[in-house]
Amino acid sequence: SQQGEEDPQALSIQEGENATMNCSYKTSINNLQWYRQNSGRGLVHLILIRSNEREKHSGRLRVTLDTSKKSSSLLITASRAADTASYFCATLTIQGAQKLVFGQGTRLTINP
Amino acid sequence: DAGITQSPRHKVTETGTPVTLRCHQTENHRYMYWYRQDPGHGLRLIHYSYGVKDTDKGEVSDGYSVSRSKTEDFLLTLESATSSQTSVYFCAISELDRGFNQPQHFGDGTRLSIL
Repeated sequence: SQQGEEDPQALSIQEGENATMNCSYKTSINNLQWYRQNSGRGLVHLILIRSNEREKHSGRLRVTLDTSKKSSSLLITASRAADTASYFCATLTIQGAQKLVFGQGTRLTINP
Repeated sequence: DAGITQSPRHKVTETGTPVTLRCHQTENHRYMYWYRQDPGHGLRLIHYSYGVKDTDKGEVSDGYSVSRSKTEDFLLTLESATSSQTSVYFCAISELDRGFNQPQHFGDGTRLSIL
């Protein structure tokens, strides 16, 4: 089963609004990463947050991590049409082989 | 963009035939990965490599084999293709040996259809 589960599965908002996507996971992690995937393309790394960090910013992106609740959120502020894509969280677990485990993604649509 | 090239980008083949997908990198990264992406399943790890001739299984390795004879090339082989292996296949690389807090960089995928 997937380690990370995104919520919602799909999100549609107006340009200029903020978009929030959530990710929950099951086991202890080393870090959590967010990726974006445009249609027909590979995944692009957005931001990585370590297990000892609570919040991280990169441009219009803000990621939070709550290890007590095993959850993370990705906030995109002032959304643009170009933000339309699928967004995936991925966790690097502490135990076992060091591999990323991906969630199923949130499909974000920004309407002009 | 990271220097990752997947070939072919599209392939249609018949059930029972062998298929080999190639991933080529110009970044000299030690770690390379093969994933498949299917609706409702997200990305699932098939095999990965942590060095030349060093490979290990992922979550969905049955029916697949890999080889890495050079740092820059990682091959994925479907020994006898089945319709359930119709998918989009992604290669990724990372410098994991610089520390675990490293991202993965992805190629643009190979769309494989097994008829």
